[in-house]
Amino acid sequence: DTEVTQTPKHLVMGMTNKKSLKCEQHMGHRAMYWYKQKAKKPPELMFVYSYEKLSINESVPSRFSPECPNSSLLNLHLHALQPEDSALYLCASSQGPSSGNTIYFGEGSWLTVV
Amino acid sequence: GESVGLHLPTLSVQEGDNSIINCAYSNSASDYFIWYKQESGKGPQFIIDIRSNMDKRQGQRVTVLLNKTVKHLSLQIAATQPGDSAVYFCAEPANDYKLSFGAGTTVTVRA
Repeated sequence: DTEVTQTPKHLVMGMTNKKSLKCEQHMGHRAMYWYKQKAKKPPELMFVYSYEKLSINESVPSRFSPECPNSSLLNLHLHALQPEDSALYLCASSQGPSSGNTIYFGEGSWLTVV
Repeated sequence: GESVGLHLPTLSVQEGDNSIINCAYSNSASDYFIWYKQESGKGPQFIIDIRSNMDKRQGQRVTVLLNKTVKHLSLQIAATQPGDSAVYFCAEPANDYKLSFGAGTTVTVRA
């Protein structure tokens, strides 16, 4: 079982809604990630937080807004999304940089934008 | 672009047989590789990893082989079971916090 917990598991939202995805890890990891995954494709990196500071933003549209309240929590705030944003959103964590540190994934939040 | 890639997008295997999933990489300086299993409707699950100072690493029913000469990585699953049906990704740390994933191989186990 994964030690990265994501809520909700499923979310349906309209294009004018504001919603949030939440992630929690209790492994003491210092890096946390948001990935987006479309069907039949590998995960694509969106954001990386290292020591609670945003260190990587992969040119993600501003309708996605990450937040790291503390070292165990990671949120992804969603506003004015488009239907093409429908995907599996994965949270992940690692002890440190990916070179030599395994990245562990949560079970994901399935997002449908209508 | 991706620095790791897979040879075959799909693999059909008879239950009880061994499975071999292949992956090629292009960066000869790569020193760490990870295999993930992703079952339908779930997130990627860590299976096994290997560092470049090793040629082989074994886990429970899985073995990863690393051939640095031809920059090739493989995952072998012994006595494949229905629960092994999933998409398997090889991955390599690109730099800092980035992972470079292969395209994935879908393994289907026939009863």
